[in-house]
Amino acid sequence: GENVEQHPSTLSVQEGDSAVIKCTYSDSASNYFPWYKQELGKRPQLIIDIRSNVGEKKDQRIAVTLNKTAKHFSLHITETQPEDSAVYFCAASTPPDSARQLTFGSGTQLTVLP
Amino acid sequence: DTGVSQNPRHKITKRGQNVTFRCDPISEHNRLYWYRQTLGQGPEFLTYFQNEAQLEKSRLLSDRFSAERPKGSFSTLEIQRTEQGDSAMYLCASSLPSGSQEQYFGPGTRLTVT
Repeated sequence: GENVEQHPSTLSVQEGDSAVIKCTYSDSASNYFPWYKQELGKRPQLIIDIRSNVGEKKDQRIAVTLNKTAKHFSLHITETQPEDSAVYFCAASTPPDSARQLTFGSGTQLTVLP
Repeated sequence: DTGVSQNPRHKITKRGQNVTFRCDPISEHNRLYWYRQTLGQGPEFLTYFQNEAQLEKSRLLSDRFSAERPKGSFSTLEIQRTEQGDSAMYLCASSLPSGSQEQYFGPGTRLTVT
């Protein structure tokens, strides 16, 4: 089955700096890669996703890049703000279409220092 | 609130007791997923329904666990003869059948087995 590894496990940045979180996946058939943000005691919320036919996607301060050859994908947050502090999870989804279960990484605790 | 809802939000039970959790997905979503999340880890897939059909189960879902979605709307997850290792957050998610693969998560049910 799919295996997703995520690094780093913790990340502290100064407000206004950029943050980068990296994930690798094992199954070359995986074709959907979402990123979820989970604040303490709250539900995971999708912040951005990318499909395997796209190399990069941006949404305001957030961007995701995908390298299918290397089986890497990364989350980039620019101009970080204290409210970006949370745990971020990457995930991968593998066909067939009937399942679409997500395999999650172990999470990155991001702390933005004011 | 038109999002995914779960009840109860918290459950404390003694080892050996049975517990049942409920998930109400977003109304037009016919796909429903159950995940388990332990402290410091990403959600782990347990099982998946498309309408009332349970199409996939993880190896994590031992024979003490059973899930149902009798009318293709709400779902229940029952754990029989609970063990301390069952203590976790149980998350439910739902999604549309095709097109967007985005899974919307509920707030979870936190189970503590004493």
